[in-house]
This record gives sequence, structure tokens and C-alpha cells, in this order.
Amino acid sequence: GAVVSQHPSRVICKSGTSVKIECRSLDFQATTMFWYRQFPKQSLMLMATSNEGSKATYEQGVEKDKFLINHASLTLSTLTVTSAHPEDSSFYICSASPRTSYTDTQYFGPGTRLTVL
Amino acid sequence: GENVEQHPSTLSVQEGDSAVIKCTYSDSASNYFPWYKQELGKRPQLIIDIRSNVGEKKDQRIAVTLNKTAKHFSLHITETQPEDSAVYFCAAGGGSTLGRLYFGRGTQLTVWP
Repeated sequence: GAVVSQHPSRVICKSGTSVKIECRSLDFQATTMFWYRQFPKQSLMLMATSNEGSKATYEQGVEKDKFLINHASLTLSTLTVTSAHPEDSSFYICSASPRTSYTDTQYFGPGTRLTVL
Repeated sequence: GENVEQHPSTLSVQEGDSAVIKCTYSDSASNYFPWYKQELGKRPQLIIDIRSNVGEKKDQRIAVTLNKTAKHFSLHITETQPEDSAVYFCAAGGGSTLGRLYFGRGTQLTVWP
């Protein structure tokens, strides 16, 4: 149980284009989903918290107009990187926290490798 | 906000030896401390977690200890095996963070056969 999927696993795009990444909880409902960014050999940096039916909460320093988050249902959150530039190239990974759990346990998706040319 | 420090950044041990990774946190309101294992190119996997009403938790070869007064927690792996080789991340959250987790910088553990 507690499986989280992410799509696509890899994406290459041209500078200036927008890219959408989907995060789905496959076998549970997620009250909250989280989006992280991970640079090579570095830690997971929390970008934003996504709650179903409400606006996302962004961490300090993360541009909300650049990283658009939509949490349309209890099993789906999307991250759109708008007007992507080479410096946005990174590994983006989501996590989901089960609705029925009183804990703060997060289950991670497999991540999306974004390369902006 | 929460700040998590993790040490060491790299750790090499011989198969069968023990490995210890230590973390400190800054927000005294944090009450949830998970540890994740991430193999190269894969997602982080939760291996053990502890809440602040518990001082120690053990699961087979893995144990975690928490000292809330000192605001530090540690991961202990006994009888290490080559398949334990990975990057391990500690995290702190819960309490005032509303479910958010803040991660340490990670420890690259290498277990030599």
C-alpha cells in the first residue's frame, strides 16, 4: 500500500516552454501532497505544500507564479513549471500524506527529471 | 522555520559493523522524525520514524533514538550489509509545521564487503 506515482519520469524541453508534472496517490487518499526539488547529491528541498481544494503554500524563496500547483482531487496534484529556463533543470519529487493517518508520514513518488535546454 | 543538520555527510563501514548517523533540529515544536533511504536514481523510502513521546524505536537491525531536550536524534544500523549502501536522510516536522518535513543534507553510507 501507500503507492505514489509521478508522470512523466523524464522530460526535456526548450527554454521558455511550460512543463506539467503529475503526482498521484494510487491506493489512498491524500489530504496533503508536497513538492520537493533535489539537486544532484543534495537534499530534498521543500518547495510547496498542496492541499486539496485550496491554494498551495509555498516555502520562502519559491516563486509561486513560476511553479504553479493545483490539487484538484484527493489523489492528484500537479506542478507546472512555467516559462522554464536551464536553471530550472532539476529532479522534482512529490510526496503524499494519507488522509486516514494521524501521523505526518509522507510517501514519495519516483521523481521527474526535468532538463531545460 | 525548522533547520535540520545531519552528520556525517559520508560514512564507510565494513560489512557487519554498525553505522550511526546523527541529526539535530532547531524547532522545539517538531514532534515527528522520520528517516528515509534513497538509492541512486530511486525515490526516498521510509525506513523508520519516531514521535516525540517515544525515546527509542527499533525495527530489526535499525533503531532510532530521540533526545528531545537536546533536540537531536540518531539512526543506528547494526550488522550492516552491502545492500544498506545508500543515501540516508533524516527529517523533522509535525507540530507547528502542519505536516511539512524538513530534511537534513543526507549521509552517503557505503558498506564494504
